[in-house]
Amino acid sequence: AQSVTQLDSQVPVFEEAPVELRCNYSSSVSVYLFWYVQYPNQGLQLLLKYLSGSTLVESINGFEAEFNKSQTSFHLRKPSVHISDTAEYFCAVSEIGFQKLVFGTGTRLLVSP
Amino acid sequence: GAVVSQHPSWVICKSGTSVKIECRSLDFQATTMFWYRQFPKQSLMLMATSNEGSKATYEQGVEKDKFLINHASLTLSTLTVTSAHPEDSSFYICSAYFTGELFFGEGSRLTVL
Repeated sequence: AQSVTQLDSQVPVFEEAPVELRCNYSSSVSVYLFWYVQYPNQGLQLLLKYLSGSTLVESINGFEAEFNKSQTSFHLRKPSVHISDTAEYFCAVSEIGFQKLVFGTGTRLLVSP
Repeated sequence: GAVVSQHPSWVICKSGTSVKIECRSLDFQATTMFWYRQFPKQSLMLMATSNEGSKATYEQGVEKDKFLINHASLTLSTLTVTSAHPEDSSFYICSAYFTGELFFGEGSRLTVL
């Protein structure tokens, strides 16, 4: 079975500052990794995913995450955040070949001016 | 991108009554849909996998007689919370795969008085 740990329930940051949202996972088999974002009153949207290949994956809005197998981590980073990045971010893992996702508890990113 | 829509987005009911939540894939066909439950400040917990034309597959610990799932068509899955009690109050989210990506509905918040 897989599990995901997001240690930070809330991360406050000022606009244009860098941010890192931490995600660690546990699994006895190879996995796929995902970051989802949930804006207020909206459903979850896929931000980025790691399936295979390059361990650094990027999203279209400036976020990136790096898969680190030895540290079993998939931290999400952005060099300069905007007010509009304020949202709940969920890290998730699935066993390769399976559709079921296991989610972390989420991290609320609060960007203030 | 593909759109998954849930209805209602918010429902309040009296204890002992039943509530039906609909999940629709608006612009694609989904043979499989997933139902999640989210408690405040907790992760999304997979409740069941809904399969079109067959019985749903429930996760361990989820009462199948309590949470009735019907996937009668390729675009609609319903979750019925039967004889609802205050402890069933939660945020219910559905999702469906399309072209290798999981799309989520906006969620339905159930409050049982």
